[in-house]
Amino acid sequence: EVQLVESGGVVVQPGGSLRLSCAASGFTFDDYAMHWVRQAPGKGLEWVSLISWDGGSTYYADSVKGRFTISRDNSKNSLYLQMNSLRAEDTALYYCAKDAAVAGYDWFDPWGQGTLVTVSS
Amino acid sequence: EIVLTQSPATLSLSPGERATLSCRASQSVSSYLAWYQQKPGQAPRLLIYDASNRATGIPARFSGSGSGTDFTLTISSLEPEDFAVYYCQQRSNWSYSFGQGTKLEIK
Repeated sequence: EVQLVESGGVVVQPGGSLRLSCAASGFTFDDYAMHWVRQAPGKGLEWVSLISWDGGSTYYADSVKGRFTISRDNSKNSLYLQMNSLRAEDTALYYCAKDAAVAGYDWFDPWGQGTLVTVSS
Repeated sequence: EIVLTQSPATLSLSPGERATLSCRASQSVSSYLAWYQQKPGQAPRLLIYDASNRATGIPARFSGSGSGTDFTLTISSLEPEDFAVYYCQQRSNWSYSFGQGTKLEIK
């Protein structure tokens, strides 16, 4: 069974930094691209970032470009999101999601349960 | 950026009724559209991909149709567990966007 477990969400001050982690199990991690998606409280879904199966390619939403960095450690079956220069509007539940395609880019299936990031003074 | 607009925002129906949810793209996405279901306190779940293909384990009462800019998710006969929020999503050139969601509530 595929499992994705996010961690690292806390309350942080505006301008601060945070690193989220996602521990993956139940599948061959380095065969799949991975995504971060966020959901502000009571709001809809917003795609944040994508990393290829080998970590060689990364993509970002305009709203986080230049502030967030996605990375992965295939030896540890782990995905990361380094978040810098945090703003109040970054407050959200952050989900990691496995791409559905082997060595490709496709849909998000499945998703973890999320980790909550709150940016507040 | 491709904008997805879902309608209606809220749909009130009774169990056993047919639900029709719409998603319109600001430009053609071909068939690169998916639907997700999200229940309160849960992560989204993939229902339909490539506009009309059911994901693994999704009941046959869920179906998707459309291409280009206009898409539909149909639930043929609503079960109590189907009342949730539904999102459409497109993917194009390593950029992804979601619609704002349709809340399907019990009438």
